[in-house]
Amino acid sequence: EAGVVQSPRYKIIEKKQPVAFWCNPISGHNTLYWYLQNLGQGPELLIRYENEEAVDDSQLPKDRFSAERLKGVDSTLKIQPAELGDSAVYLCASSLAQAGTARAGELFFGEGSRLTVL
Amino acid sequence: TQLLEQSPQFLSIQEGENLTVYCNSSSVFSSLQWYRQEPGEGPVLLVTVVTGGEVKKLKRLTFQFGDARKDSSLHITAAQPGDTGLYLCAGIQGGSEKLVFGKGTKLTVNP
Repeated sequence: EAGVVQSPRYKIIEKKQPVAFWCNPISGHNTLYWYLQNLGQGPELLIRYENEEAVDDSQLPKDRFSAERLKGVDSTLKIQPAELGDSAVYLCASSLAQAGTARAGELFFGEGSRLTVL
Repeated sequence: TQLLEQSPQFLSIQEGENLTVYCNSSSVFSSLQWYRQEPGEGPVLLVTVVTGGEVKKLKRLTFQFGDARKDSSLHITAAQPGDTGLYLCAGIQGGSEKLVFGKGTKLTVNP
């Protein structure tokens, strides 16, 4: 079974440029997450989807970040314009378990997209 | 304030040694997960603990959930270089749907 697929693996851009990341979750996983991870830190939630609905986007900086999950499968995370402080790894994860269940914290992560903003 | 505090932040040991890393909080968690992350990869789930006082074993790794469900520990016996990585605890607070991560313990096992 294929895991969570993310692209691109690496992206280098200049500040003020736009950037987009794509994620294909594990087939059948209704819950999809985007996390941001700075070097040496734990992942921080940006947005969580249940199917195509964004159920938790409270940590998403909406002035420059946007996300979509059309048809409840693939998802795209966009940053426009990028700032120097956005340099980080952007992780996508999916889960089969429903929110509120004991296994809701069991996430399957992709390899991440490493963004460098110059 | 970090909801899940992990300690130590860094740990460097020799192959064959035993070690314990900790995950502590002042909040009660309905479940808690441990993940391992290697450089350039995403975190990989190791275990879920749900019941206070629960102990789970995964080969040389022993996970324990505190009686009050506010803390957890991971003990590794006879560490090997392949155990090297960032160990993350994550949990869902009671009454919440939000999964939060600790900052992790970076473990290096030297041959």
